Amino acid sequence: SFELTQPPSVSVSPGQTARITCSGDALAKQYTYWYQQKPGQAPVVVIYMDTERPSGIPERFSGSSSGTIVTLTISGVQAEDEADYYCQSADSGGTFWVFGGGTKLTVL
Amino acid sequence: EVQLVQSGAEVKKPGESLKISCKGSGYSFPNYWLGWVRQMPGKGLEWMGVIHPGDSDTRYSPSFQGQVTFSADKSITTAYLQWSSLKASDTAMYYCARRAEINGYYVDYWGQGTLVTVSS
Repeated sequence: SFELTQPPSVSVSPGQTARITCSGDALAKQYTYWYQQKPGQAPVVVIYMDTERPSGIPERFSGSSSGTIVTLTISGVQAEDEADYYCQSADSGGTFWVFGGGTKLTVL
Repeated sequence: EVQLVQSGAEVKKPGESLKISCKGSGYSFPNYWLGWVRQMPGKGLEWMGVIHPGDSDTRYSPSFQGQVTFSADKSITTAYLQWSSLKASDTAMYYCARRAEINGYYVDYWGQGTLVTVSS
């Protein structure tokens, strides 16, 4: 099945590095995308095609991929990074999407 | 500037029908797939399906097949999500989401969301 698994929560202190994982068999063949969602707002993409950062997204956000596990890394976490993060992938035609369950990042 | 503007919040009773809208502007509306995403209160994002406004080709997530209907009117650059008989469990925020056409299959623009509340 086309499922993506994320840890429900990750906590870090300001200035530390946060790593959020997303796993799924399909990720070995398809790209992964990451979204940040703050309360009351629509999601915003922070990483596309596993490792690419859209313009306007701070350099502290990065992505990596290894087989069926992809990782969103936030280096030097700031209070403003506290949010829910979702991974997403799609089938080869791009018309079947799936989201991971989401990870709540808490900045202590 | 690309914009997706959704219709306003709705409060409905179980069994009622509903159609919410998503109006695209600032881009070639017929040429981009539009998805619908549900977010139940306090929960994560769920992909409902996509529609191609140019030819109304539609793909539904198995979880939503038969539960909702997508449509689009390219003459007024508007997509729709409708229910024929709402349930309390349909209470959620619904987002329309434009699929990027380069650099992979992700959402590059989101609507602001439409909150649907179903309660007797």
